[in-house]
Amino acid sequence: RKEVEQDPGPFNVPEGATVAFNCTYSNSASQSFFWYRQDCRKEPKLLMSVYSSGNEDGRFTAQLNRASQYISLLIRDSKLSDSATYLCVVNSGNQFYFGTGTSLTVIP
Amino acid sequence: DTAVSQTPKYLVTQMGNDKSIKCEQNLGHDTMYWYKQDSKKFLKIMFSYNNKELIINETVPNRFSPKSPDKAHLNLHINSLELGDSAVYFCASSQGGRGGGLTEKLFFGSGTQLSVL
Repeated sequence: RKEVEQDPGPFNVPEGATVAFNCTYSNSASQSFFWYRQDCRKEPKLLMSVYSSGNEDGRFTAQLNRASQYISLLIRDSKLSDSATYLCVVNSGNQFYFGTGTSLTVIP
Repeated sequence: DTAVSQTPKYLVTQMGNDKSIKCEQNLGHDTMYWYKQDSKKFLKIMFSYNNKELIINETVPNRFSPKSPDKAHLNLHINSLELGDSAVYFCASSQGGRGGGLTEKLFFGSGTQLSVL
């Protein structure tokens, strides 16, 4: 079983739409959680950390459910510039585990 | 100033050659990593060093040898390159601490696209 699993998509949504991505992790002792964004041919960049209480950064909302071991990312009012691959990342001990990434394309 | 820098950005070489990729971070982090991203875009950990000490060595052929002269540098040397080594290699760093922790975040270099012909 993979440490981190997420739906690879692709998600194709119109501008202005709301889109949600989910991710599950297998290690209940995992300590920290993140969403990274990766543009084509570029390095992954931290989008936001995910906290137990949930957190919001502008149009982006991240949630963590430790009981069910899943993480979510909600993007409201999608922009063309949101098109990218979104990677779910979990830190367990001294190692970071990556999901396969979810591809998002926002269409005009 | 670039936080995590790796060179070269592109590397095209023949099968059987030996090549190196260099990585440096100026964030003062204790832990550095090498990841491989293949054509299917999956990021796989290869190695991790904490303060020059190897702490993670995933199932990687021994043709790959990391070298950390100091905690700000982690270079990757590859012997006898094979077609299957073609991928993008990312260096990354995190603050450190073997136990991880809530403040741990990964910062990536811009990647080295390796093409073996």
